[in-house]
Amino acid sequence: DVKVTQSSRYLVKRTGEKVFLECVQDMDHENMFWYRQDPGLGLRLIYFSYDVKMKEKGDIPEGYSVSREKKERFSLILESASTNQTSMYLCASSALGAFEKLFFGSGTQLSVL
Amino acid sequence: TQLLEQSPQFLSIQEGENLTVYCNSSSVFSSLQWYRQEPGEGPVLLVTVVTGGEVKKLKRLTFQFGDARKDSSLHITAAQPGDTGLYLCAGYNTNAGKSTFGDGTTLTVKP
Repeated sequence: DVKVTQSSRYLVKRTGEKVFLECVQDMDHENMFWYRQDPGLGLRLIYFSYDVKMKEKGDIPEGYSVSREKKERFSLILESASTNQTSMYLCASSALGAFEKLFFGSGTQLSVL
Repeated sequence: TQLLEQSPQFLSIQEGENLTVYCNSSSVFSSLQWYRQEPGEGPVLLVTVVTGGEVKKLKRLTFQFGDARKDSSLHITAAQPGDTGLYLCAGYNTNAGKSTFGDGTTLTVKP
């Protein structure tokens, strides 16, 4: 069964902490994405990556960075967490040539206190 | 930024009723996807529609892509409690290389 795995389901951090959210996919997909999901706002794209060591800004990249050192792993980094970054974070992947067909992980609910 | 508006935002119906969810935009999309998300899980892809006017059926779910590829609808016949969830539409733009999501329709089907 193909999977996108996010390392934590729930995470509680303090304001100013550096936060790492990890995502691993086992489908050999080229494309990987980070979204955040907030009530009434749908899913908003933070960053995405077409290939190893490549990254592209999404619609709301401010306050975030990403790392893709290996094809199967895409990390989201909050350099200095703030309370307005409290959200559900969803990682997704898709295959080359099927960019729009996203496979999602179960999400990480991050609370920044 | 392309916007997708879904309506209604919330829908609560009795088992056996029919319903339609709408997804509208002023922008043209290369394709449109519908996802369902259950509590505590990520969205799961239900269908993708590509051609204007295209209709796809998935058991009791019927998906339609507008002729101009700007809008879509999801119709559920004889809804069941297992259909409960958050339904999301997403429009994909080849030129932008990314998908834009609507803000979702929360469906509750009561037994």
